[in-house]
Order: sequence, then C-alpha cells, then structure tokens
Amino acid sequence: AQTVTQSQPEMSVQEAETVTLSCTYDTSENNYYLFWYKQPPSRQMILVIRQEAYKQQNATENRFSVNFQKAAKSFSLKISDSQLGDTAMYFCAFRNRNNDMRFGAGTRLTVKP
Amino acid sequence: SAVISQKPSRDICQRGTSLTIQCQVDSQVTMMFWYRQQPGQSLTLIATANQGSEATYESGFVIDKFPISRPNLTFSTLTVSNMSPEDSSIYLCSGSTGMNTEAFFGQGTRLTVV
Repeated sequence: AQTVTQSQPEMSVQEAETVTLSCTYDTSENNYYLFWYKQPPSRQMILVIRQEAYKQQNATENRFSVNFQKAAKSFSLKISDSQLGDTAMYFCAFRNRNNDMRFGAGTRLTVKP
Repeated sequence: SAVISQKPSRDICQRGTSLTIQCQVDSQVTMMFWYRQQPGQSLTLIATANQGSEATYESGFVIDKFPISRPNLTFSTLTVSNMSPEDSSIYLCSGSTGMNTEAFFGQGTRLTVV
C-alpha cells in the first residue's frame, strides 16, 4: 500500500520569506503522480502544483516549486515570497494507476505579517 | 477544470437517523471518490463511486453504513446511515478524468451528530 508522510504538523514563515514543506512517500510503482493541495479555512481543496514521476524536471507554478527526488521518494514544496493568503493546511498527495488519491497528514502553514 | 457542487454544506442530525450528501459535477468525470476528514486532519478515502455498479470500499468502511450511488458521470450521493456521534466529521466528494489530472473537490459537508 502507498503511504504519504508529512513530518511537519505546523510551520510558520514571515511574509515575503521562503518556506519549504516536506513530503515523503512509499511505493513500489514506477508510474505515478504527486500533488500538493492547499486547504484554507473555507475547506475548499485547491490544487497548488502537480508532478509526473516520469519527468525529471521539477514542476513550477509562479511562487510555488517542488523538489522531486524520485530515488529518495521525496517531494517537497517551496513557497517563495510568502503571502498572508498562503496561510492554510497543505496536503501532499499520491496517485497511481488505481486513480484514487492518498493524502499525507497535512502541514498547517501560518504566514506572519 | 470542473466544478463540484456539494450539498448540504453542513447539517446537525439526531443519532440513529441517516443523511444523504449529494455531489453534482458541471462536466463528465471518469472517477468520483468520497473522503472523510476530521477537522484539522487528513483526508481518508471511504470509497470509489463506480458508475453503474457497486462502489469500491476501503478497509474499515462498509456499504451498509455508507451506501453510495453513481447513476451517471456527473452525479453521486453518499448516505451516512444509522448515525452516531462518531460519524461527526467533514465529508468531501472528489472527481477527476484520469490519473494524470488533478482531482476536483466539493466544498465539503460538515456533519454533526447529536
């Protein structure tokens, strides 16, 4: 069974600074997808960034980027120039050919003014 | 992208009763899923809603407690049956069109059983 581990229950960062959220996963498969989702207090799950396992290049979306280390099964999220609106729960997620999505425990990020 | 409308957004129910949660997608999605989330915690997959056939349940979840329907590619319901206070949680539905696409989520239903 695939597992996703987020070892940082809570993180904080000053506005405009950079923060990195950690995620590791366990799988025996070679073809899969990884995601970071953001969940603000509104409960709406919002996709932040997506990475295909077969791509070596790290995904980037504006201020958000990932460090994908396939051999180490690591998938960290870097948020640059943090904004107050980035305050939320962040979930790392794994999807394989079964198509269901498995989530980590989440990291509560607080951006301080 | 797809938009999923989930309702109700919240409800307070008496123990022993049942509640049906509905999710309507504004476009056809291949797969739909139902999750449970305790406040401040992760999402736990309840089941995969299969169109035209019985849902596929994860370990610890059974059809008698959580019957699911999926009559077409845009709609699904989850019923929480014979509720107890332990069923108090947030329930979310999700849909996607493939392994390589993002999963879209409803806004969630916050259920409180008293």
